[in-house]
Amino acid sequence: GESVGLHLPTLSVQEGDNSIINCAYSNSASDYFIWYKQESGKGPQFIIDIRSNMDKRQGQRVTVLLNKTVKHLSLQIAATQPGDSAVYFCAEFPGGSQGNLIFGKGTKLSVKP
Amino acid sequence: DAGVTQSPTHLIKTRGQQVTLRCSPISGHKSVSWYQQVLGQGPQFIFQYYEKEERGRGNFPDRFSARQFPNYSSELNVNALLLGDSALYLCASSLQWGGDTQYFGPGTRLTVL
Repeated sequence: GESVGLHLPTLSVQEGDNSIINCAYSNSASDYFIWYKQESGKGPQFIIDIRSNMDKRQGQRVTVLLNKTVKHLSLQIAATQPGDSAVYFCAEFPGGSQGNLIFGKGTKLSVKP
Repeated sequence: DAGVTQSPTHLIKTRGQQVTLRCSPISGHKSVSWYQQVLGQGPQFIFQYYEKEERGRGNFPDRFSARQFPNYSSELNVNALLLGDSALYLCASSLQWGGDTQYFGPGTRLTVL
């Protein structure tokens, strides 16, 4: 089975509010994590990444938090906008001889105007 | 700079036929990975190539094959198509193999009738 999963399959927020999307991973050896945004009919778009030697990384309106103790990732989106509506995936690199990403099923974010 | 490009955009085939999907990576990227995304799920890893050599293979039958050319572009071939092969096929490129950011193309939507 997949080692990356998401706690919430759907999330509905009001425009202007902050959004938090959670993700659990099971491989403690994973050392690199990426969040992707996928709009309908399009390929996944890179949002932000974080390596296992960091706990937090900030981008423009987005922050990723990594808790290695409980193997948990979260993506925080500040001042959520209608354009943020999409499916969000976290993905991990399991490391070792594997160079591929392992994805979870995704969380659908809906932003209400 | 151009991102990852894929062709064709859409494809309709019948059961038993064969299909070839094409991918051009971002200029300077030497690694290409292929993923299959079934509706409502996260992408599943099929193949990864680096410097024209296969570096990883996911849990897909031998009907799936791929190759990478000297210019780092890649083809994914699927023989004896089944209805269950209907999916969005995604190509991702990265500078190197392993824990490196993968950037996705728009995908090829394959429908098998």
